[in-house]
Amino acid sequence: GAGVSQTPSNKVTEKGKYVELRCDPISGHTALYWYRQSLGQGPEFLIYFQGTGAADDSGLPNDRFFAVRPEGSVSTLKIQRTERGDSAVYLCASSPTGTPGNGELFFGEGSRLTVL
Amino acid sequence: AQSVAQPEDQVNVAEGNPLTVKCTYSVSGNPYLFWYVQYPNRGLQFLLKYITGDNLVKGSYGFEAEFNKSQTSFHLKKPSALVSDSALYFCAVRDKTVNDMRFGAGTRLTVKP
Repeated sequence: GAGVSQTPSNKVTEKGKYVELRCDPISGHTALYWYRQSLGQGPEFLIYFQGTGAADDSGLPNDRFFAVRPEGSVSTLKIQRTERGDSAVYLCASSPTGTPGNGELFFGEGSRLTVL
Repeated sequence: AQSVAQPEDQVNVAEGNPLTVKCTYSVSGNPYLFWYVQYPNRGLQFLLKYITGDNLVKGSYGFEAEFNKSQTSFHLKKPSALVSDSALYFCAVRDKTVNDMRFGAGTRLTVKP
């Protein structure tokens, strides 16, 4: 498809388990972002990639969270030792340009993570 | 630091009436301002943006927004609301020197027939 694709759409896991969330951005978009959206909140920035490198990971809440984008296209958000507080919708977005950014972000439909 | 405030959690309007969803922002420099809409179980969809130039910007689905620098506001408006406009609306701001786009907490718009 032409949009940002995220898989899985839903993931239920147990506390302490490891999860991976995948994002396939719009073809040709060099900038890729991960956001987290909790119930009743706006999206919260996690990490930004320009090409293959994580240009800004200042939003990652702790070292259990990690993301990669090895070939400058698909990205994977990895969460180790999941906690119930990690439950949220994880949104991926891409943009044809990064900083300075006057371009809008194109969002996927999100991956809903539930940690039991 | 950049931040966005959406002072209303909920806005209710009757179909056919004008609607306004409020947004104020804070950035250190000149802002890029955005509005997104989120329908149930869907991703965020871009509506419109202000980068520079005319303070009144027009976007998708008949929406428009007015940039007011002195009041640091970027309110979303539509002259005549539709029931199908009912959704969650997010204002976002981006300083040109930073990487992330900062979102408000969202305003739920309900348009009643």
